[in-house]
Amino acid sequence: EVQLVESGGGLVKPGGSLRLSCAASGFGLGNYSMDWVRQAPGKGLEWVASISSGGGYIYYADSVKGRFIISRDNAKNSVSLQMKSLRVEDTAVYYCAREGYGSGPTEFDYWGQGTLVTVSS
Amino acid sequence: AIQLTQSPSSLSTSVGDRVTITCRASQVMTSTLAWYQQKPGKSPKFLISHASSLDDGVPSRFSVSESGTDFTLTISSLQPEDFGTYYCQQFDSYPLSFGGGTKVEI
Repeated sequence: EVQLVESGGGLVKPGGSLRLSCAASGFGLGNYSMDWVRQAPGKGLEWVASISSGGGYIYYADSVKGRFIISRDNAKNSVSLQMKSLRVEDTAVYYCAREGYGSGPTEFDYWGQGTLVTVSS
Repeated sequence: AIQLTQSPSSLSTSVGDRVTITCRASQVMTSTLAWYQQKPGKSPKFLISHASSLDDGVPSRFSVSESGTDFTLTISSLQPEDFGTYYCQQFDSYPLSFGGGTKVEI
């Protein structure tokens, strides 16, 4: 069974940092691109970042570029999102999502349960 | 960047109704669009992609079609468990993007 379990969310002050982790199980992480998607309270979904199966291709939304870093450790079956210079508008539930098998971007076929990040003074 | 405009933003329906949700892309794409269902307090769930068939376990009452830059999700006969918010998402090019969502109320 495919499972994605996020952790690391919490309350942080504006300008602060936080590191989110996604533990993957039930599939070979090294075969899939992985993404982070967020959802502000009461709002829609916003794609944040993508990392290819081997980590060689990385993409970011303009809203987080230069502040967030996505990374992965296939040997440890984990994906991370390092977030710096956090803003109030980064407050959201952050989901780890797996892309379907194939080259290039595909649909998100599995999602984690999400972890809440709250940026507030 | 490709922008997706979903319509309607919400709809109130009845069990057994046929429901159609449209996602209009800001530029031409080649079937690289997916649909997700999200229920309150839950993670989104992948439903269907225009590039492939229904995800395992998704009822056949869900179908998709496209015409130009318009992509459509149809629920042929709405069931009580189909309430929730539906999102379209394009994976044609980066930055990936989602539509604003359609809330289906029964």
